[in-house]
Amino acid sequence: AQSVAQPEDQVNVAEGNPLTVKCTYSVSGNPYLFWYVQYPNRGLQFLLKYITGDNLVKGSYGFEAEFNKSQTSFHLKKPSALVSDSALYFCAVRDAYSGGGADGLTFGKGTHLIIQP
Amino acid sequence: DGGITQSPKYLFRKEGQNVTLSCEQNLNHDAMYWYRQDPGQGLRLIYYSQIVNDFQKGDIAEGYSVSREKKESFPLTVTSAQKNPTAFYLCASIPGHSSGANVLTFGAGSRLTVL
Repeated sequence: AQSVAQPEDQVNVAEGNPLTVKCTYSVSGNPYLFWYVQYPNRGLQFLLKYITGDNLVKGSYGFEAEFNKSQTSFHLKKPSALVSDSALYFCAVRDAYSGGGADGLTFGKGTHLIIQP
Repeated sequence: DGGITQSPKYLFRKEGQNVTLSCEQNLNHDAMYWYRQDPGQGLRLIYYSQIVNDFQKGDIAEGYSVSREKKESFPLTVTSAQKNPTAFYLCASIPGHSSGANVLTFGAGSRLTVL
């Protein structure tokens, strides 16, 4: 069975500093990996995804993520954090060959990112 | 602008009552999904539908029911059989189910509280 781990419930970063939100995964085949962000009492918004190709993926709002196959990780990063980046971040994974619907998608439990002014 | 509209945003229910959460999309997406979100547990799939008049159980379907009579609409009923219904409910959709790379579009959610 596939799984996603977000080992930190909360990450605290000072504004202007680089941030990293960690994600590791387990799938039987090749992974499709996604990051979503959720602001309070809102739905999730897509940030970026890794399907194939370049291991460094760039997404919305200056975020990027690096796919590392040997470490089965897909950590989310940003060079300089903003207070407005404070939100709940979800990593998600699916097996590339498990069919096309989102029913094959597994979400992590989420990481609260808090950017301190 | 295209998107997903969920209503109501907040709902209070007495024990033993059924409630229906609305989800409407104008994205012309084929597949629609209902998720339940509890603090610290991520998102769990309740039901999904890949085509009109067809739907499938997700991981936690017990105590819930759905219908898909129109492409645009996928209402979720939380029945009295659901033992712990207090949660945040999210509706989502994707263009089709042929590609696993499709990105989910989410509604703003409905928060259900059982009194």
